[in-house]
Amino acid sequence: KAGVTQTPRYLIKTRGQQVTLSCSPISGHRSVSWYQQTPGQGLQFLFEYFSETQRNKGNFPGRFSGRQFSNSRSEMNVSTLELGDSALYLCASSLNSEAFFGQGTRLTVV
Amino acid sequence: QKEVEQDPGPLSVPEGAIVSLNCTYSNSAFQYFMWYRQYSRKGPELLMYTYSSGNKEDGRFTAQVDKSSKYISLFIRDSQPSDSATYLCAMSAFHSGAGSYQLTFGKGTKLSVIP
Repeated sequence: KAGVTQTPRYLIKTRGQQVTLSCSPISGHRSVSWYQQTPGQGLQFLFEYFSETQRNKGNFPGRFSGRQFSNSRSEMNVSTLELGDSALYLCASSLNSEAFFGQGTRLTVV
Repeated sequence: QKEVEQDPGPLSVPEGAIVSLNCTYSNSAFQYFMWYRQYSRKGPELLMYTYSSGNKEDGRFTAQVDKSSKYISLFIRDSQPSDSATYLCAMSAFHSGAGSYQLTFGKGTKLSVIP
């Protein structure tokens, strides 16, 4: 059974640019959550999508957005990038209360 | 007070030692308790999952939950160099408004097992 797939694995962007990250969940999982991981803050919840609807959201500015498609694949977008957005962005897919993570996308903003 | 507290370490032990990793929490609504292992430059891997007070064993790993004390532990027996990683505790509570469970993570403990 394939795991959670995130693309790309690494990204370098310039301040002010925007970025889109992609996540394909485990087959059959309809819930996709996004997290930001930094050394200082640890893993912080961004948002969760289920059946193409955002049903939960963390405490991040509106520059962070996401969407989910009918095949459960999800994308997250960060606009007007700031240096502080440099982090590992993780996607997790869930069937019930267990969450399974992808390898993450390492975003560096310069 | 943070909802989940975890000593960040780092923790360094000799090969073969018993490792004890711990988290405390303040939110009594947490129902499910997990331990994740994260190797450098990789995503977290679900190691243990439990929902009741008591012990759950899987090979060299034992997860312990004490809901009355709001305290969870992960024990690793006969630790190996391949166990060197960051271990994250996680807990989930049901959010009725969202209709889903939301995970809250500890900041992780970095473990090094020295051959």
